[in-house]
Amino acid sequence: QQQVKQSPQSLIVQKGGISIINCAYENTAFDYFPWYQQFPGKGPALLIAIRPDVSEKKEGRFTISFNKSAKQFSLHIMDSQPGDSATYFCAASKETSGSRLTFGEGTQLTVNP
Amino acid sequence: DAGITQSPRYKITETGRQVTLMCHQTWSHSYMFWYRQDLGHGLRLIYYSAAADITDKGEVPDGYVVSRSKTENFPLTLESATRSQTSVYFCASRAGTNQPQHFGDGTRLSIL
Repeated sequence: QQQVKQSPQSLIVQKGGISIINCAYENTAFDYFPWYQQFPGKGPALLIAIRPDVSEKKEGRFTISFNKSAKQFSLHIMDSQPGDSATYFCAASKETSGSRLTFGEGTQLTVNP
Repeated sequence: DAGITQSPRYKITETGRQVTLMCHQTWSHSYMFWYRQDLGHGLRLIYYSAAADITDKGEVPDGYVVSRSKTENFPLTLESATRSQTSVYFCASRAGTNQPQHFGDGTRLSIL
């Protein structure tokens, strides 16, 4: 059972554009929603995370938007740069039950110069 | 250097062989995890551990064995490797709830 569904599978954006990746979850008990960035040959690294008590969190060019009623959250990358080209994973967990993250399938982002 | 290291980075073996992937972290994090990454499936949890001598199954545990005799080490063993276990394996650690999870750089395992 896929508890976190991520789309699109791949995304191509021009330099300076906005990249948007979406995730939907099923388990209403999830209370922690991180995004991870992965470059080829490397492990995923935490990019930004949000909790359901806020609807938006911004860190530099990266913003998470969270819609609790729709059980959806998204990552927005403003002014996308070629260096942002990577695979992005959303994830979710119920923090009180062992800190186990459930990951989405991943989105391969390519930013063309 | 502080961090989480996996070894080997690359491994080729044959079906039926036993193979062990190593994971070592220097932070004394309580939680450790093993994932496999396959195209179209994202990261799937194999096993995890909340502390030394405490392990539990994840989403895809069949064919794998783990142990955690020391906090800093969390080896993953494929007892009798199969071609379907060809994948990239990631180890991760986390201090606790509300803390970021850190990943190693992975082991690319090919089973012929």
